[in-house]
Amino acid sequence: QVQLVQSGPEVKKPGASVKVACKTSGYTFTSHYMHWVRQAPGQGLDWMGIINPSGGWTSYTQKLQGRVTITRDTSTSTVYMELTSLRPDDTAVYYCARDLSSDYGGTTGWWFDPWGQGTLVTVSS
Amino acid sequence: SSELTQDPAVSVALGQTVRITCQGDSLRRCYASWYQQKPGQAPILVIYGKNNRPSEIPDRFSGSSSGNTASLTITGAQAEDEADYYCNCRDTSGSHWVFGGGTKLTVL
Repeated sequence: QVQLVQSGPEVKKPGASVKVACKTSGYTFTSHYMHWVRQAPGQGLDWMGIINPSGGWTSYTQKLQGRVTITRDTSTSTVYMELTSLRPDDTAVYYCARDLSSDYGGTTGWWFDPWGQGTLVTVSS
Repeated sequence: SSELTQDPAVSVALGQTVRITCQGDSLRRCYASWYQQKPGQAPILVIYGKNNRPSEIPDRFSGSSSGNTASLTITGAQAEDEADYYCNCRDTSGSHWVFGGGTKLTVL
């Protein structure tokens, strides 16, 4: 079955960087884009960015432009999300989620399935 | 606008029907997907595309869309349906995605 397994929790100081891994299995890695989503404590889901594992194309939310980088390693079927210049308000659970889509006569639907288990990143001095 | 708007909280009596809505301009060109999230758990997909359900999702969950509004309907809500629900769609830029703010469903 399709599985996304993320790396473990991280504790970082303000100004540091963090790199979270999302190891995939059960499907052809290069056939599906991958999203990253974060959720601050008690808050909603916040889309961060997307990568095409085949060609490496990425797109990021404007809110994190310049601080977030999503990469992939096709040899290990793993996607990475790196966030730099960490601040306390970056404290959140970070999720990877596989992208799927379908066209319904001119209107497209996109969805995220499955999701990784989440990685808690805590930023504190 | 790239935002999706949801009511923060909705309640429903056990066994009754509840509709959770999501509004935004991007929904005119995109079928919303819906996610259920329970405390301490990762979100799970409940509705996608033109009213499709993953096989493990009960058929009391359904989706619909009209204009700039997408809806998630639970017909005969159960206690285990109490959760946060989020809608999602690709925004009008074509290269970003956006979540609604989430709706906390309480089953009374």
